[in-house]
Amino acid sequence: DGGITQSPKYLFRKEGQNVTLSCEQNLNHDAMYWYRQDPGQGLRLIYYSQIVNDFQKGDIAEGYSVSREKKESFPLTVTSAQKNPTAFYLCASSMARDNQPQHFGDGTRLSIL
Amino acid sequence: GENVEQHPSTLSVQEGDSAVIKCTYSDSASNYFPWYKQELGKRPQLIIDIRSNVGEKKDQRIAVTLNKTAKHFSLHITETQPEDSAVYFCAAAGSSNTGKLIFGQGTTLQVKP
Repeated sequence: DGGITQSPKYLFRKEGQNVTLSCEQNLNHDAMYWYRQDPGQGLRLIYYSQIVNDFQKGDIAEGYSVSREKKESFPLTVTSAQKNPTAFYLCASSMARDNQPQHFGDGTRLSIL
Repeated sequence: GENVEQHPSTLSVQEGDSAVIKCTYSDSASNYFPWYKQELGKRPQLIIDIRSNVGEKKDQRIAVTLNKTAKHFSLHITETQPEDSAVYFCAAAGSSNTGKLIFGQGTTLQVKP
């Protein structure tokens, strides 16, 4: 969907480095989500946020952090504590009521140098 | 915890044949079930969804059926075409009404011309 922009498309992380993945949406959606996708596997939820200045841990939050200072933006930081960060990261957004469909960005592929 | 099982993991069909992918879910309170199609290296895209008050939904060559008693739902693609080749994910909305989706592991569909 053109309304969700993730950047960069590719990212490389050095040992001990924190990196931040950007996610911006102009769909006026309240809820935003971060998923991790490993080869041949489904999507696993890292963090989600239903409203500005509030967010909750998903199933695999360890080694990651997020912020939600603006409705449009939900950046994800992969910290040095995440020992296996190589994966495809997907951001999504939805209306925050009655289980509405989630719409995804194009993803960021993170690799270790 | 909440879980969604998806089968088969791979499916190969001849062009023009039908394809069926099945999912079972663990949380009986789940009430929303989307299906996503993901082409290689791209974002998942919603292709069809169904809510718990409906047993079947159809959109051209794609249909989804839901059996709440048995806690399973299925995707049916008729008259398959090579462009249907992709990975398909089912998902179920958790009972907490947070918008969280629990995804299946994915099915790689190959349609042979």
